Amino acid sequence: DVVMTQTPPSLSVAIGQSVSISCKSSQSLVYSDGKTYLHWLLQSPGQSPKLLIYQVSNLGSGVPDRFSGTGSQKDFTLKISRVEAEDLGVYYCVQATHFPPTFGGGTKLELK
Amino acid sequence: QVKLLQSGAALVKPGASVKMSCKASGYTFTDYWVSWVKQSHGKSLEWIGEIYPNSGATNFNEKFKGKATLTVDKSTSTAYMELSRLTSEDSAIYYCTRSVFDYWGQGVMVTVSS
Repeated sequence: DVVMTQTPPSLSVAIGQSVSISCKSSQSLVYSDGKTYLHWLLQSPGQSPKLLIYQVSNLGSGVPDRFSGTGSQKDFTLKISRVEAEDLGVYYCVQATHFPPTFGGGTKLELK
Repeated sequence: QVKLLQSGAALVKPGASVKMSCKASGYTFTDYWVSWVKQSHGKSLEWIGEIYPNSGATNFNEKFKGKATLTVDKSTSTAYMELSRLTSEDSAIYYCTRSVFDYWGQGVMVTVSS
């Protein structure tokens, strides 16, 4: 299975600060159709995960443009500009290029 | 709007089975795969398998073959997952999610205890 490695495992931030989370895969995530099926999820405390970004850089429905995703092949980054209180929780990357889909270990975003 | 409404929490004895449901609304149920995901306490997420409601076709993570059974009832737009021969390792929250993880149910907490 493809191993997804997220760093850092936790982040302590102040409201208004910008942060980045890294996600690296053990194999290239480019599918045979040319698309890259790397997505980002946010699990707020006590909630189900929610899709933030799909296929590397596309914002999910209703997701503010403070969130952005970049990357290619095996190396991906989620950036949050101007963190707000509602952004706190655990962020996961997930790949759906290779079977079975696999998730990163998560990055917990906390208030400083 | 798209919603996935899951059944309630379950307390089950070791060796028993549990069946949970995921009722979809707000979209055409037969057009999208439904996946199931496990989240053990305080840990990350594991993909269990998926089912295509239109045909009943399924795909499973090798790790969960023989553990999970996926079915659907198209008449009620409901997906089901049954977990068998439960052990303490199966205690977790189980989520259903549509297709490419764009919508999630609220989760079912399963506790395996005597």
